[in-house]
Amino acid sequence: AQSVTQLDSQVPVFEEAPVELRCNYSSSVSVYLFWYVQYPNQGLQLLLKYLSGSTLVKGINGFEAEFNKSQTSFHLRKPSVHISDTAEYFCAVRYSSASKIIFGSGTRLSIRP
Amino acid sequence: GAGVSQSPSNKVTEKGKDVELRCDPISGHTALYWYRQSLGQGLEFLIYFQGNSAPDKSGLPSDRFSAERTGGSVSTLTIQRTQQEDSAVYLCASSLQGGDTEAFFGQGTRLTVV
Repeated sequence: AQSVTQLDSQVPVFEEAPVELRCNYSSSVSVYLFWYVQYPNQGLQLLLKYLSGSTLVKGINGFEAEFNKSQTSFHLRKPSVHISDTAEYFCAVRYSSASKIIFGSGTRLSIRP
Repeated sequence: GAGVSQSPSNKVTEKGKDVELRCDPISGHTALYWYRQSLGQGLEFLIYFQGNSAPDKSGLPSDRFSAERTGGSVSTLTIQRTQQEDSAVYLCASSLQGGDTEAFFGQGTRLTVV
């Protein structure tokens, strides 16, 4: 079955520390991968996306993600987080050009000063 | 409009009543999606429209839920005989055709069934 798994429902980190939010998807020949962010009381917005080519994708606000086909993963990373990064992060996948986008259950990132 | 517009932003209804939620996608976007976000939960896929193709209704939780998209633009999600477990934020998104295109989300409709 087509699915996206975000194993960590909550990730607390200290300000200026690095963070990794994990995402795994069910295997497929080709996929399109996305990370969305939802700040408190706001709508969802795109953080970054992987379509093809380089496996390291850079997004807004200093975030980056690495596509790993053998591990069917698309983990999100930031070397140094800020209080303003407090939000919920959603990994999403589309399995073909004409299919729906499937979202993971989300990871709530909380930053401690 | 500049973005995806959803109305109403908030809706309180009595159990057993029918409700209609509206979504105006970004002009020119051929794909339209409905999702449901319950408290502390992720985004649950409901239905997907793509151009003139038959919609993917695989996420609709029961036959009380239905959606239509008129003229390839505005979409209405209808919930009949609402139940308390239907309380959630209903999100609409739209995108251009193609797998590499991102979905743009509206602010959602918060539905509360009392």
